[in-house]
Amino acid sequence: KAGVTQTPRYLIKTRGQQVTLSCSPISGHRSVSWYQQTPGQGLQFLFEYFSETQRNKGNFPGRFSGRQFSNSRSEMNVSTLELGDSALYLCASTQGVGGLYEQYFGPGTRLTVT
Amino acid sequence: AQKVTQAQTEISVVEKEDVTLDCVYETRDTTYYLFWYKQPPSGELVFLIRRNSFDEQNEISGRYSWNFQKSTSSFNFTITASQVVDSAVYFCALSEAQPSSGSARQLTFGSGTQLTVLP
Repeated sequence: KAGVTQTPRYLIKTRGQQVTLSCSPISGHRSVSWYQQTPGQGLQFLFEYFSETQRNKGNFPGRFSGRQFSNSRSEMNVSTLELGDSALYLCASTQGVGGLYEQYFGPGTRLTVT
Repeated sequence: AQKVTQAQTEISVVEKEDVTLDCVYETRDTTYYLFWYKQPPSGELVFLIRRNSFDEQNEISGRYSWNFQKSTSSFNFTITASQVVDSAVYFCALSEAQPSSGSARQLTFGSGTQLTVLP
């Protein structure tokens, strides 16, 4: 079974631009979560989607948004990029609801904002 | 609010030594899940283990073992006979059950422990 895939793997953007990151979960997995990893703040939860609905959201500004499609693929968008948005963005997929299922992470997208 | 503390920022050992990574957590919930993940230099988080709050049995998987103690809110991870390939950042994480949404997938991570195994 193929793992979680994220595209692109690396991205360089300029402050003020917007960016869209993509995540394809493991086949059969219906939940996708997004995390931001920075040296200063560590790993922080952004949001989670299940069956095309956002079920949970972390403490991030409205510039961070996401969506999930009917095939469970997910995208996250960051508008009006700031230097502090430079981070590794990790996507995780899981099979179902509840904590009974472990999250499997993709390789991440490394975003650099200049 | 939940919190995970990994007090050891960096640990360096020589190959074949045993090493224990500490994890202390805080939660008000009675039902929760604890995890360990490994992050090699490639960046991908690799799932190692999940425990629920009702199962305090220690677990062993090859050279890896985990010691869960609710009395001290700790979930420590031991690598026996460490190898160079074990070098990575290890994260402990906590997930609380959220009955209203049925979701328990928001992971709260510790700050990680960088383990370096020297040949």
